[in-house]
Amino acid sequence: DGGITQSPKYLFRKEGQNVTLSCEQNLNHDAMYWYRQDPGQGLRLIYYSQIVNDFQKGDIAEGYSVSREKKESFPLTVTSAQKNPTAFYLCASSIDLGRTAYGYTFGSGTRLTVV
Amino acid sequence: GENVEQHPSTLSVQEGDSAVIKCTYSDSASNYFPWYKQELGKGPQLIIDIRSNVGEKKDQRIAVTLNKTAKHFSLHITETQPEDSAVYFCAALDNDMRFGAGTRLTVKP
Repeated sequence: DGGITQSPKYLFRKEGQNVTLSCEQNLNHDAMYWYRQDPGQGLRLIYYSQIVNDFQKGDIAEGYSVSREKKESFPLTVTSAQKNPTAFYLCASSIDLGRTAYGYTFGSGTRLTVV
Repeated sequence: GENVEQHPSTLSVQEGDSAVIKCTYSDSASNYFPWYKQELGKGPQLIIDIRSNVGEKKDQRIAVTLNKTAKHFSLHITETQPEDSAVYFCAALDNDMRFGAGTRLTVKP
């Protein structure tokens, strides 16, 4: 079945440590996105990518980095510069950057906790 | 840019009753309005969407209405069941997809 796979489901980070969240899709979608979800808030866009080797900052990119070396993969690194990283992280993909008006397909999320 | 407001933030209904969630948007250029259902510990799933050239769309027990003049759209769930309990998000697309803050729906048996 086609879909998006996020791993790990739970991740614990120590102070000052970088961690990388994995996102893989086999939907042949061009665009991929990373969102952060905090309790009681909507989804906030961290980074997005329309094509391989190209990505753009979203609303809350500080303290995060991404790469898009393959169409299927869009990993997110939470760096030590992100002072409040505890959150639920969602990866999504769509046919393109949204201008053709199709819904997003979301992964099942990664819950990151600072310990 | 687009701003999406969603109400209410929590909604509790009795099984079999209807539930209505409302969203407003600010950018008149927005042309696509999806609704997502998120169950605990999972990612959001698209349940219904509507485009700006349509006023209403229905799929079994769920329906969405769009009022472009007033810039608001609503999700209607009829004959609610306990498995409808989840967080529901609306969204609006102009150049970017903007999400509402979510509504936690509880259906009491």
